[in-house]
Amino acid sequence: AQTVTQSQPEMSVQEAETVTLSCTYDTSESDYYLFWYKQPPSRQMILVIRQEAYKQQNATENRFSVNFQKAAKSFSLKISDSQLGDAAMYFCAYQVWTPLVFGKGTRLSVIA
Amino acid sequence: DGGITQSPKYLFRKEGQNVTLSCEQNLNHDAMYWYRQDPGQGLRLIYYSQIVNDFQKGDIAEGYSVSREKKESFPLTVTSAQKNPTAFYLCASTPEGAGQNIQYFGAGTRLSVL
Repeated sequence: AQTVTQSQPEMSVQEAETVTLSCTYDTSESDYYLFWYKQPPSRQMILVIRQEAYKQQNATENRFSVNFQKAAKSFSLKISDSQLGDAAMYFCAYQVWTPLVFGKGTRLSVIA
Repeated sequence: DGGITQSPKYLFRKEGQNVTLSCEQNLNHDAMYWYRQDPGQGLRLIYYSQIVNDFQKGDIAEGYSVSREKKESFPLTVTSAQKNPTAFYLCASTPEGAGQNIQYFGAGTRLSVL
């Protein structure tokens, strides 16, 4: 079974600084999708970024970018110029033909 | 506005009682999902449905039941067999086509046991 591991239960970052959240996954598939979702205190799940495994180029969405290392099965999220509104739970997720498999999440705090 | 509506926002269950959580979407999405969220556990899949009148068990289906009589609706019943129902429940849906794998979520229902 596919598994997703987020090894950092909690992280903190100073406002305007950069932080990287880690995610590793286990799969025998060659084509799949990877996601980062954000869950702020409102608990609404929001898609941050999406990566297709067959694409070599790392996905970027404004201040959010990923470092996708397919051979290492690693999918880290970098948040640049951190803002107070970035404080949330961040979930890494994996998908092939089945529903999403989520990691346990990383709680990010942003310090003013 | 299109979206996924979960109701109620808060729900309380007495011992031995069945309760039903509502999930409605007007996005014309084919697939719908139910997840349970516990502290430190991430999201775990309860049930999902890819088409009307069909659904599959997820990783933690015991003590839960679902129906999919309409494309727009995917209610979840928490039965008395679920001995630890206190959790946050999230409903999601997925469109067909290019964005197929992106799940859109409702705002959730918090279930507590009295």
